[in-house]
Amino acid sequence: EAGVAQSPRYKIIEKRQSVAFWCNPISGHATLYWYQQILGQGPKLLIQFQNNGVVDDSQLPKDRFSAERLKGVDSTLKIQPAKLEDSAVYLCASSLGAFGGTDTQYFGPGTRLTVL
Amino acid sequence: AQKVTQAQTEISVVEKEDVTLDCVYETRDTTYYLFWYKQPPSGELVFLIRRNSFDEQNEISGRYSWNFQKSTSSFNFTITASQVVDSAVYFCALSEREYAGNMLTFGGGTRLMVKP
Repeated sequence: EAGVAQSPRYKIIEKRQSVAFWCNPISGHATLYWYQQILGQGPKLLIQFQNNGVVDDSQLPKDRFSAERLKGVDSTLKIQPAKLEDSAVYLCASSLGAFGGTDTQYFGPGTRLTVL
Repeated sequence: AQKVTQAQTEISVVEKEDVTLDCVYETRDTTYYLFWYKQPPSGELVFLIRRNSFDEQNEISGRYSWNFQKSTSSFNFTITASQVVDSAVYFCALSEREYAGNMLTFGGGTRLMVKP
């Protein structure tokens, strides 16, 4: 069974530029998550989708970050404009879709973003 | 609010030694779920185990074992006879039933280095 796919794996941009990341979850997984992992820290949830609806985006910096999951499968996370502090690994995860904390999340390889 | 603490930021052992990674959590929920993930240098978070709060039975899987103690809010992870391939960053994480989504709250991680 194929795992969570992400692209690109690496991205280097100048500050104030825009960037987009793509994620394809495990087939059949209704829930999709985007996490930000700053170097030396644990991942932090940015946004969670259930099918194509948003469950939680309370920690997403909405002035510069946006995400969508059209058709309830693939998802795109965008940053516009990027700041130096956005340098991090952006991890996508997916799970079957049970609520109440019971779901196990499976992670993709991540996209390492460097903002210069 | 929920919180996960991994006090050991880095551990170095020699191959074949046993090593225990500590995890202490805080939650107000009576039903919650604890996880361990492994992050090798490739960057992908690999799921290791999920434990429910109402099941305090310890678990063993090959060289891995987990000790869950509700009385001390700890969920420690032991690797027996460590190998070089065990070198990675290990994360403990928590999700709560009361939370509508499935957000994982991660600890800061413990970097394990196993030397030959």
